[in-house]
Amino acid sequence: GAVVSQHPSWVICKSGTSVKIECRSLDFQATTMFWYRQFPKQSLMLMATSNEGSKATYEQGVEKDKFLINHASLTLSTLTVTSAHPEDSSFYICSAIDRNQETQYFGPGTRLLVL
Amino acid sequence: GQQLNQSPQSMFIQEGEDVSMNCTSSSIFNTWLWYKQDPGEGPVLLIALYKAGELTSNGRLTAQFGITRKDSFLNISASIPSDVGIYFCAGPKLSGTYKYIFGTGTRLKVLA
Repeated sequence: GAVVSQHPSWVICKSGTSVKIECRSLDFQATTMFWYRQFPKQSLMLMATSNEGSKATYEQGVEKDKFLINHASLTLSTLTVTSAHPEDSSFYICSAIDRNQETQYFGPGTRLLVL
Repeated sequence: GQQLNQSPQSMFIQEGEDVSMNCTSSSIFNTWLWYKQDPGEGPVLLIALYKAGELTSNGRLTAQFGITRKDSFLNISASIPSDVGIYFCAGPKLSGTYKYIFGTGTRLKVLA
């Protein structure tokens, strides 16, 4: 079946640094990907929609300058957490749409810890 | 705004028991999805429902799309230890899109 990968699977960084998370669709092309954030023992919250070749659209309350999204190819979207702070520590999950199968596949997630 | 509330929040059951959980919404959904999330992993789709009243099975799992379109139910029969995890319902924030809102989750623990 379709697979979505994320890299890295976990990352620890110092406060104030920027962290880039990659989301790849491995065997299908994804013109649309989504980024979710999940705090401990909470549900997944949609952050933004990543569109190949165009600007991402962000959900209400999500700072676009804080969470930079680049969907440069049909198989790759990146989320950069800029000037990370401890409150940005969370589990970040991407998903990709396989339009041929009309199915959304989720990645395994990236755990970010900001010290 | 739209909210999906799941009940119960958590449950401990004995291996072999049947499990029932539900998801209710403040607004109508045209699609209901049920996911399972293992610790440290992304969610995996279990069942998708597209029509009010629809009853769909996937192995030991059965889900129903409520006729009011404001609720859905998931049943697991004869639970086994690997059923442990968090079960989320989800639906599209905008009808016809893949932008999902996820429910609050039901944490299931199975005692062998």
